[in-house]
Amino acid sequence: DGGITQSPKYLFRKEGQNVTLSCEQNLNHDAMYWYRQDPGQGLRLIYYSQIVNDFQKGDIAEGYSVSREKKESFPLTVTSAQKNPTAFYLCASSIVSGRPTDTQYFGPGTRLTVL
Amino acid sequence: QQQVKQSPQSLIVQKGGISIINCAYENTAFDYFPWYQQFPGKGPALLIAIRPDVSEKKEGRFTISFNKSAKQFSLHIMDSQPGDSATYFCAANYMYSGGGADGLTFGKGTHLIIQP
Repeated sequence: DGGITQSPKYLFRKEGQNVTLSCEQNLNHDAMYWYRQDPGQGLRLIYYSQIVNDFQKGDIAEGYSVSREKKESFPLTVTSAQKNPTAFYLCASSIVSGRPTDTQYFGPGTRLTVL
Repeated sequence: QQQVKQSPQSLIVQKGGISIINCAYENTAFDYFPWYQQFPGKGPALLIAIRPDVSEKKEGRFTISFNKSAKQFSLHIMDSQPGDSATYFCAANYMYSGGGADGLTFGKGTHLIIQP
C-alpha cells in the first residue's frame, strides 16, 4: 500500500525535552510538508521541503527543526524552545510538477501532549 | 494576516439538506483552491478542487462555486448525509515565479454536523 505514515500516533513529553516526530512516505513524492493543527485554527505550515537536503521555513517555524536526508523521510523535531507545543501534527507530501495543482496527501497525524 | 477566511465556524444541517461553506481570499496570486475533509483523529483528505478559470466544478454531491471578481469560493454539499459530518477546510495555493510551490494556506475550518 502506498501512503504516508506518521509515528507515534500519540506522544507525551515533559517540559524542557526535545521530541522527534516521524514521517515516512512511499509515494515517490519530491515535496514534504509539516503542519500544525490547533482547535479553531486550521492548519499552519511549519516547514516544507521540495528536494532532499533542502527545506524552507513556513509560517510558524520557531521552536521546530527538520531534516531531509532521504526522499522518503522528513522528521520534525519539536524543541524545548517551542513555547506551546501541545497540538496535532500533520505531515503531507506531493509531487513537484511546477503546477499549483499538485495535490498534497496527508498522513494520519501525531498528537503531541506536553505534560 | 489571515489570507483565507472561512465561514461559518460550525454548521448543523438536516439530513437531505444542502450544506454551504464559504471562503474568501485576499491574495490575487492564488490560483488553486482545494477543499479538504477531515474526520476526527485523521489527516485531511482532498475532496474537490478548482482553478480560477472555471466558475463551477461538480463531483457527485459536492460542488465548488467560484467567483473570481469577488475573490470568494464556496462548497455545496447536496443531499447531505450523516456520513458527511466532518470538518471541512478550504485552502489556496500559488506558484512562485521560479516554479516552486509553497505549502497550502488553509482556512480555519468548518465543523459540519448532519442531523439524521
